[in-house]
Amino acid sequence: AQSVTQLGSHVSVSEGALVLLRCNYSSSVPPYLFWYVQYPNQGLQLLLKYTSAATLVKGINGFEAEFKKSETSFHLTKPSAHMSDAAEYFCAVMRVGAAGNKLTFGGGTRVLVKP
Amino acid sequence: DTGVSQDPRHKITKRGQNVTFRCDPISEHNRLYWYRQTLGQGPEFLTYFQNEAQLEKSRLLSDRFSAERPKGSFSTLEIQRTEQGDSAMYLCASSRQGNEKLFFGSGTQLSVL
Repeated sequence: AQSVTQLGSHVSVSEGALVLLRCNYSSSVPPYLFWYVQYPNQGLQLLLKYTSAATLVKGINGFEAEFKKSETSFHLTKPSAHMSDAAEYFCAVMRVGAAGNKLTFGGGTRVLVKP
Repeated sequence: DTGVSQDPRHKITKRGQNVTFRCDPISEHNRLYWYRQTLGQGPEFLTYFQNEAQLEKSRLLSDRFSAERPKGSFSTLEIQRTEQGDSAMYLCASSRQGNEKLFFGSGTQLSVL
């Protein structure tokens, strides 16, 4: 079975400061990993994905994540936070196969950006 | 590409009533997924269709829940005899076979009073 743990349900950062959201995964096979963002009353939008290519993945809105197999981690970062980054962020691991691509999500991290 | 569409956006119902939600996936996507998200939690997988075939159901999907995708296009999720614990956001997603990217709709927020 696959699972994801996000450390910290809430993160508060100042505008312009580094954003770091932590995600650790468990998977018996090489994982596909994703970060999604959810704004209030909206669905999930894909930020970036890791599918066993480059370990440093760049996504939209200036976010990037690094896959570290030795640490079973896939932390999300952004060098400089913007007010528009206030949202909830979900890390997810995907089971890929003929039976469908099933995502298992972490509990989410809500980001608050202070002016 | 008009995105994944879900209807209604909000549903308020009384305990014991039946409710039905609809999801229209992106037109060329043959895979469709339903997820449930409760407040402060990540989405949880409910069920998955490939074309019209329902290939997987979560243990979260009790006998009161049924999902269909009769023509391999839109899907419906019905909850019978709703309970207060059914209150959640119900999210639909679609994807193209061979592509791992899922596109999510805006969800249907269900409140059971």
